[in-house]
Amino acid sequence: QVRLVQSGAEVKEPGASVKVSCKTSGFTFINYYFHWMRQAPGQGLECMGWINGNGNDIKYSRKFQGRVTMTRDTSTNTVYMELSGLTSDDTAVYYCARDSSAVRFDYWGQGTLVTVSS
Amino acid sequence: QTVVTQEPSLTVSPGGTVTLTCASSTGAVTSGYSPNWFQQKPGQAPRPLIYSTSNKHSWTPARFSGSLLGGKAALTLSRVQPEDEADYYCLLYYGGAYVFGPGTKVTIL
Repeated sequence: QVRLVQSGAEVKEPGASVKVSCKTSGFTFINYYFHWMRQAPGQGLECMGWINGNGNDIKYSRKFQGRVTMTRDTSTNTVYMELSGLTSDDTAVYYCARDSSAVRFDYWGQGTLVTVSS
Repeated sequence: QTVVTQEPSLTVSPGGTVTLTCASSTGAVTSGYSPNWFQQKPGQAPRPLIYSTSNKHSWTPARFSGSLLGGKAALTLSRVQPEDEADYYCLLYYGGAYVFGPGTKVTIL
């Protein structure tokens, strides 16, 4: 069955970077797009950008350009999201989601809590 | 900056019907915005309900339906059950950018 399993919770100091992974299984990885979203405590969902399984189509939301890098590894069918220059405002649950065709976010990871604190 | 708006909160009685809407600051929402709807309960990841305005995922209960209504995307919950109490988010596609609405908290009372 389709699964997206994210890495565990992280605690980082201000100014550091965090890299969250999203390991997929149960489908042909290169045929799909993967989106990253985040949700600050008590807040709504925010799109950060996307990467396709081929790795040749990557786009970052304007808010995160210059601080976010999305990559993928086809040998393990895993996508990664790295966010640098962390501040307390980056404390949030980060989600990956599969986009099966033209804006159809059908499967999501369980979420990864990133806490930024000194 | 594109803004998507939703009702902050709605209350409905068990067995009743409630319609949530999703509006765009750019004008009328059409099928070209590929509206998606998600349900989220506390401590859980969002659960996809609707894509491309009105299409249901295989797991979406029949009592949930999506449509376009008065220039907005809409999600209608019919025969509401207690387990439908949750936050509901819409997502619109702007040709290279994806924007979530702020969410609607649905309370069953």
